[in-house]
Amino acid sequence: QVQLVESGGGVVQPGGSLRLSCAASGFTFSSYPMHWVRQAPGKGLEWVAVISYDGSNEYYADSVKGRFTVSRDGSKNTLYLQMNSLRAEDTAVYFCAKDPKYSSSFAYYYMDVWGKGTTVTVSS
Amino acid sequence: DIQMTQSPSSLSASVGDRVTITCRASQSITRYLNWYQQRPGRAPKLLIYTASSLQSGVPSRFSGSESGTDFTLTISSLQPEDFATYYCQQSYSIPLTFGGGTKVEMK
Repeated sequence: QVQLVESGGGVVQPGGSLRLSCAASGFTFSSYPMHWVRQAPGKGLEWVAVISYDGSNEYYADSVKGRFTVSRDGSKNTLYLQMNSLRAEDTAVYFCAKDPKYSSSFAYYYMDVWGKGTTVTVSS
Repeated sequence: DIQMTQSPSSLSASVGDRVTITCRASQSITRYLNWYQQRPGRAPKLLIYTASSLQSGVPSRFSGSESGTDFTLTISSLQPEDFATYYCQQSYSIPLTFGGGTKVEMK
């Protein structure tokens, strides 16, 4: 079955870095755009970033632009989120999610499959 | 950025009730509106995409509709597993944005 499993979360000091991973299985990972979405404790959902199926295009929320980088490795069926210059307001559960648009330069920009999330806490 | 405003932020209902949740976009997004359900401690789940298309496997008691920049999620007969928080999300333009959520609680 289609599955996404995030890892790499943890506690990090303000200004620090963390890299999240999302292992995909059950579908042709290299054919679909992928998203990161986060949820601060007790808050709603916030879209973070999207990467095209081939990694050629990336878009970010203004709140993370210049600090976060999304990437993917098709040989490993894995999505990544490199997070630098972390702030307290980045504390959240981070979900990876699949976009349903197949093998196109564009995405549908919604999420049909979600992982269970990994928790990032930025605190001194 | 396109702002998505959901109402109400919470509601109380009973099993069997008809429930309606509204989402208003700050500008035209045509039909690019999606609905998700999130149970406590769980990942969100896609219910409806492009305003009114039911995601595969989602019960037919869920439906979506649109009227201009106003969108509605309707649960025709609330079931025990439907007590959750519901979010709308626009997929018209980057940055993608979500509504603030509507928590459906048991009366």
